[in-house]
Amino acid sequence: AQSVTQPDIHITVSEGASLELRCNYSYGATPYLFWYVQSPGQGLQLLLKYFSGDTLVQGIKGFEAEFKRSQSSFNLRKPSVHWSDAAEYFCAVVDLTGGGNKLTFGTGTQLKVEL
Amino acid sequence: NAGVTQTPKFQVLKTGQSMTLQCAQDMNHEYMSWYRQDPGMGLRLIHYSVGAGITDQGEVPNGYNVSRSTTEDFPLRLLSAAPSQTSVYFCASSYSTQGVGEQYFGPGTRLTVT
Repeated sequence: AQSVTQPDIHITVSEGASLELRCNYSYGATPYLFWYVQSPGQGLQLLLKYFSGDTLVQGIKGFEAEFKRSQSSFNLRKPSVHWSDAAEYFCAVVDLTGGGNKLTFGTGTQLKVEL
Repeated sequence: NAGVTQTPKFQVLKTGQSMTLQCAQDMNHEYMSWYRQDPGMGLRLIHYSVGAGITDQGEVPNGYNVSRSTTEDFPLRLLSAAPSQTSVYFCASSYSTQGVGEQYFGPGTRLTVT
């Protein structure tokens, strides 16, 4: 079965510093990968997605992620973090077995931004 | 477009009570799903539907029932609420049933079972 691991439960960075959130996946075929962000009390918003092609994908709010098949990773990065980026971030992989568009999520990384 | 809407936003139930969480989307999406979110566990799939009249179980279906009589609506029923069902519930929809489409999430329903 597919799985997603986000090894960092909490991360604290200073505003203006760079950010990297780690994501490792386990999936037998070529994965479809996503990063979502959840602000407190809100639903999930899609940051970016990888389906195929260029392994460096750009998303909204200045985020990017790099797919590395050899490392089974899909890490999220941002060169300069803003205070408004404080939120919880989820990596997810789509499970296509049995039909449907089923997402398997990691447990999330809570980002705190220090001013 | 309102997108994906969920009602109610908050609900408190007593053990053994039943209720229905409502989910509706106005984007004509074929695929709809329900997730629950628990601290430290991310989101887990409860049930999903690839079109009207078609539903299937996800990872954690026990204690929940769904039906899909229209494209727009996908209600989630708790048959006999238990404290273990205290959670935040999210409904999502996508135009694609084959994995390549973005899923749009509703704002969530926070359920407490006492």
